[in-house]
Amino acid sequence: QKEVEQDPGPLSVPEGAIVSLNCTYSNSAFQYFMWYRQYSRKGPELLMYTYSSGNKEDGRFTAQVDKSSKYISLFIRDSQPSDSATYLCATYHNAGKSTFGDGTTLTVKP
Amino acid sequence: GAGVSQSPSNKVTEKGKDVELRCDPISGHTALYWYRQSLGQGLEFLIYFQGNSAPDKSGLPSDRFSAERTGGSVSTLTIQRTQQEDSAVYLCASSREQSNYGYTFGSGTRLTVV
Repeated sequence: QKEVEQDPGPLSVPEGAIVSLNCTYSNSAFQYFMWYRQYSRKGPELLMYTYSSGNKEDGRFTAQVDKSSKYISLFIRDSQPSDSATYLCATYHNAGKSTFGDGTTLTVKP
Repeated sequence: GAGVSQSPSNKVTEKGKDVELRCDPISGHTALYWYRQSLGQGLEFLIYFQGNSAPDKSGLPSDRFSAERTGGSVSTLTIQRTQQEDSAVYLCASSREQSNYGYTFGSGTRLTVV
C-alpha cells in the first residue's frame, strides 16, 4: 500500500465549477500536508500547506485535512482554464523527506 | 538566484554512458532535495542534503546513482552506466532548513536513455 493515495482522474469540469481533489494517507503520524500544482513540462509549484486537522483558505483555494479519516482535500472555487494542471498532494516526514501522491490531472474547459 | 536552476533541461544519452545533472538552489536555502518523476507517476524521493551532508540517501535506486553538494550550494546527481529504466524527469528542490512548509522546485532535467 502506498503511503499517499490520490484519485488519479483525469478530471474535466466547465469553467466556474467547484473542483474537489482528494488524497488519503496511511501513517497517522503525518502532521504536515501540502498541495502542489504542476503544469506540463514544469516543476511542481507549492500551492498550500496545512498543519494537522482543519481548513486553510487562500483566495479561490481551500485545503482541508481530516486526520481522523486520514483524508486530504483541495477545493478550487470558480475554476478557470488557467487552473488546468496536475495537482499533487504530499505529506512531510522527518528529516526532509516528503511523500507525494501520483497526481490528479485537471482540465477546466472554457 | 531567483529560483532553483537545473541544467541541462534535456539530456539524451546512450545506454551505458554516464550523465551528470546539475542543480543550483535558491540562495540561502540550506536544504536540497532530488526527486525523480517517471511518465505519469508521482515523485520518487532520491536524496536530501542539509548543507553539504546527506542525512538521507535511502531513495537512491542503486549504486549507479550518486550525488554530492559542495559549498552548501550547487549539487550534482551522477548516474553511471545509464539504463533505459533511468529515463525520467529529475527534479531538484530547495528550502530553508528542513521545511515542513514545502519546497521550491526547479523545472527538472528530462533524461532519455536510448
